[in-house]
Amino acid sequence: QKEVEQDPGPLSVPEGAIVSLNCTYSNSAFQYFMWYRQYSRKGPELLMYTYSSGNKEDGRFTAQVDKSSKYISLFIRDSQPSDSATYLCAMSGGGGSEKLVFGKGTKLTVNP
Amino acid sequence: GAVVSQHPSWVICKSGTSVKIECRSLDFQATTMFWYRQFPKQSLMLMATSNEGSKATYEQGVEKDKFLINHASLTLSTLTVTSAHPEDSSFYICSATTPGLYGYTFGSGTRLTVV
Repeated sequence: QKEVEQDPGPLSVPEGAIVSLNCTYSNSAFQYFMWYRQYSRKGPELLMYTYSSGNKEDGRFTAQVDKSSKYISLFIRDSQPSDSATYLCAMSGGGGSEKLVFGKGTKLTVNP
Repeated sequence: GAVVSQHPSWVICKSGTSVKIECRSLDFQATTMFWYRQFPKQSLMLMATSNEGSKATYEQGVEKDKFLINHASLTLSTLTVTSAHPEDSSFYICSATTPGLYGYTFGSGTRLTVV
């Protein structure tokens, strides 16, 4: 079993749809959870950063962490064509300099 | 916000030559930098972790003599691909972090093509 599992998709939705992306993990030591967006041929861009369990909202984006189920989610409301990208979940056990463990990424296309 | 600059964004080199990629943290002091390699349609593969002033820690299977990493200052880390071969062609990305910084900031990546 891989440390982090993420459905690679691809996922295709119409503009305005609510998008749900998720990852599961096996390492109970993970405490820091991140979602990155990566456009083709670019570096990943940090979207959401969450510590431990709970919800965090930032504009159209909501991140949820359920440590009891080892499950994290990213919701995108009112999706736009500009949201078309690959979304990567990432997590680590400690803050500071611990290396991140990434999911494989989910490729999302939002159709106008 | 935290900004990491990576140069060059793309480079073509001849087989057998060496290529240096720079990663700079522009508005914070990066105590730790990471170097990744990414193949098309795949996730990031961590190559090594470097702490300022210390030797880099390489992941299993990464040739340390081929991929030289230097983190001589709190704002600069370099990756040198020595004696490059076509199989080294890939997308290389750095990231940086420091205590108190939320998340890890990534550079824009370098596309290396070895011909």
